[in-house]
Amino acid sequence: DVKVTQSSRYLVKRTGEKVFLECVQDMDHENMFWYRQDPGLGLRLIYFSYDVKMKEKGDIPEGYSVSREKKERFSLILESASTNQTSMYLCASTSSVPSYEQYFGPGTRLTVT
Amino acid sequence: AQSVTQLDSQVPVFEEAPVELRCNYSSSVSVYLFWYVQYPNQGLQLLLKYLSGSTLVKGINGFEAEFNKSQTSFHLRKPSVHISDTAEYFCAVSDLFTGNQFYFGTGTSLTVIP
Repeated sequence: DVKVTQSSRYLVKRTGEKVFLECVQDMDHENMFWYRQDPGLGLRLIYFSYDVKMKEKGDIPEGYSVSREKKERFSLILESASTNQTSMYLCASTSSVPSYEQYFGPGTRLTVT
Repeated sequence: AQSVTQLDSQVPVFEEAPVELRCNYSSSVSVYLFWYVQYPNQGLQLLLKYLSGSTLVKGINGFEAEFNKSQTSFHLRKPSVHISDTAEYFCAVSDLFTGNQFYFGTGTSLTVIP
């Protein structure tokens, strides 16, 4: 059974803290994605990666960075957390073109106080 | 880039009644179309997908969707809903030009009323 796991389901951080969200997939997928989900806005793409050490900006990369040192792991980093980054963060992965399905992790609900 | 429109943000429906959740997308080039479901505090799970072939696709839990190229739509339907169908539903599109990137609608919250 395919699986995408995220390091935390719930996380509470203080403004200004550096935050790491980890995502691991066991399907040997080349492509991995980070989204944030907010009510009324759906899923918005933050960053994605087509291969190890490669990254591409999505629609809302400001305030975020990513790291992909190994194929199975894709990390989202909030360099200095702010309250407007309180959100649900979803990681997804998919095999190479064509994309027949994105597989999602359970999500991390981050609260920044 | 593609854009995906889900016109209905909230859909209340009585149990055992039929339901249709609407989805329109912006481009008529070759597309792949998807519906995902998200139960409370969970990630997204694939309901069904259209890649090619028959325009009527069937998915899990009794859902089906019809691809209409001329209207650039991919509406989701179920003839009789159950309480357990209460969830958020997302339409998504990818195409041959964007490759692996998916574009999601803003979601429709389906509430089934007993």
